[in-house]
Amino acid sequence: QQPVQSPQAVILREGEDAVINCSSSKALYSVHWYRQKHGEAPVFLMILLKGGEQKGHDKISASFNEKKQQSSLYLTASQLSYSGTYFCGTEGPEGNTPLVFGKGTRLSVIA
Amino acid sequence: GAGVSQTPSNKVTEKGKYVELRCDPISGHTALYWYRQSLGQGPEFLIYFQGTGAADDSGLPNDRFFAVRPEGSVSTLKIQRTERGDSAVYLCASSVITGSTEAFFGQGTRLTVV
Repeated sequence: QQPVQSPQAVILREGEDAVINCSSSKALYSVHWYRQKHGEAPVFLMILLKGGEQKGHDKISASFNEKKQQSSLYLTASQLSYSGTYFCGTEGPEGNTPLVFGKGTRLSVIA
Repeated sequence: GAGVSQTPSNKVTEKGKYVELRCDPISGHTALYWYRQSLGQGPEFLIYFQGTGAADDSGLPNDRFFAVRPEGSVSTLKIQRTERGDSAVYLCASSVITGSTEAFFGQGTRLTVV
């Protein structure tokens, strides 16, 4: 079942922070985050495995609450290059399954 | 090659025709996935291969769609009797193994059925 992402779209000024949420109605093994710029391929950001870990690199981090079947992506001090559509992809409870992607969150960072 | 390569990048075909879309994954990647993406939507799973075999084809919309990966490397997605509703970007991705690992996407093939 397709995860639900919120918000659908957000506009930020450079330097502002944003949170993108991903919620599933079923148990998950992992959550994957990708960013896609217009006309380009989705690019991998990070994977979170069940266990409630938090990951991050640079100013982009994410958390995964397996009990709530939710993940959040945190973008801090946003840069123009962060603009794009962010997708979460979820993996079923047993793992080793293809990802089911949400509809995406369109992020626009303006100067 | 360095990344996942898909050809052609664009394909325009007439309704009712047959098309083949090719995916050349990253060398050594055993898992290969096909997704379809419509405007404003996330990638929609079609089929994935583990080696030469189709491990899960539950996302194929109907029997007009078929995919092969005969030698465990290059894959071809085949669509028979194309319909206007098949128009979309078809994305291919590969990963070292199936499951919780990074998947690398190709640039996609934009299919337009007129």
